[in-house]
Amino acid sequence: AQSVTQPDIHITVSEGASLELRCNYSYGATPYLFWYVQSPGQGLQLLLKYFSGDTLVQGIKGFEAEFKRSQSSFNLRKPSVHWSDAAEYFCAVGQNTGNQFYFGTGTSLTVIP
Amino acid sequence: ETGVTQTPRHLVMGMTNKKSLKCEQHLGHNAMYWYKQSAKKPLELMFVYSLEERVENNSVPSRFSPECPNSSHLFLHLHTLQPEDSALYLCASSQDSLLGEQFFGPGTRLTVL
Repeated sequence: AQSVTQPDIHITVSEGASLELRCNYSYGATPYLFWYVQSPGQGLQLLLKYFSGDTLVQGIKGFEAEFKRSQSSFNLRKPSVHWSDAAEYFCAVGQNTGNQFYFGTGTSLTVIP
Repeated sequence: ETGVTQTPRHLVMGMTNKKSLKCEQHLGHNAMYWYKQSAKKPLELMFVYSLEERVENNSVPSRFSPECPNSSHLFLHLHTLQPEDSALYLCASSQDSLLGEQFFGPGTRLTVL
């Protein structure tokens, strides 16, 4: 069965510091991988996605993620965090039939001045 | 209005009540979804609608009954709920499938007494 693991429940970083959020997936076929962000009181917004090709994908708001098949990982990175990046971040995997979608439990990011 | 809207934003109901959640998308999308977001658990995909036809029902109890009268509107009818059904219910839409960018509404915070 497909699953997504986000090992870090909560992360605190200083503004301007770099960020890496971890995501591991379990999926038998080629995964369709996503990162979504949820700000307080709002719905989720897509940051980026990976289907195939270049394993380093660029997203919105300066985020990027790298697909590593050997590690079954799809970690999200940002070189310099802004206070507005404080939010909940969700990794997700989609099924190639398009009718199933699995989210991780999320990582809550706090940004301190 | 633009994007995905949900009403009401908050709902408190007793276990014997009948209520409905409404979702409307103004994006011209062909697919709509209901998710349940509970604390410390991954978002759970409940129902998938494509071109107004239900294509997936992820073992959701029958006390949750979805309805999609047209491609812009999605309802979730609630009847005889349990306290453990208290959660944030999110509606989302995408152009064709879950693998496309999903646009989420802000959710309905449901409390079952």
